[in-house]
Amino acid sequence: DIQMTQSPSSLSASVGDRVTITCRATQGISNFLVWFQQKPGKAPKSLIFAASSLHSGVPSRFSGSGSGTDFTLTISSLQPEDFATYYCQQYKSYPLTFGGGTRVEIK
Amino acid sequence: EVQLLDSGGGLVQPGGSLRLSCVASGFTFSSYAMSWVRQAPGKGLEWVSAISGDGANTYNADSVKGRFTISRDNSKNTLYLRMDSLRADDTAIYYCAKTVGHDSWGLGTLVTVSS
Repeated sequence: DIQMTQSPSSLSASVGDRVTITCRATQGISNFLVWFQQKPGKAPKSLIFAASSLHSGVPSRFSGSGSGTDFTLTISSLQPEDFATYYCQQYKSYPLTFGGGTRVEIK
Repeated sequence: EVQLLDSGGGLVQPGGSLRLSCVASGFTFSSYAMSWVRQAPGKGLEWVSAISGDGANTYNADSVKGRFTISRDNSKNTLYLRMDSLRADDTAIYYCAKTVGHDSWGLGTLVTVSS
């Protein structure tokens, strides 16, 4: 099975900060990676697919990069509505696996 | 607009059974694989099961293998998850999701396994 490790598990940041979250796979997954945002009590929302492609309607301050085993999600200028938990997930092979999540909190 | 309406959750005793449903609209249901993903209280996301668009191929997490069965009825645009031999650690919100990249999600349905 492919394990996905996210770091950090949580971070505190201020509005306007640049935030970077990393996700590492235990084996190469090409670009079969997605990023989700989840707010408390809500279903996850897909932000990025194929490692770097933004879903329609997602603000351009979100970006994704990487290929193989190492990936990043970057928020260029953190906004109040971005405080949430973020997950990565690989879809290269079954079982599909998620990272443990990164909680982004207000400093 | 893609919509996924999941339902069927509730309180069930350990060893009991439940069937979840997810009614899809806004896309050609039979053209897409579908998944179930769960989230235990205060925990992260865990993929549970997936099924191909034609229903011919199914995949399950080891944690539910032999107990849960995913299926679909493309004539009704509906995805199902039959859950048998339920255990306390199956307690979670269950979400249906479109494709293996989970590009759209239902609102979730809560399953509580407790005596």
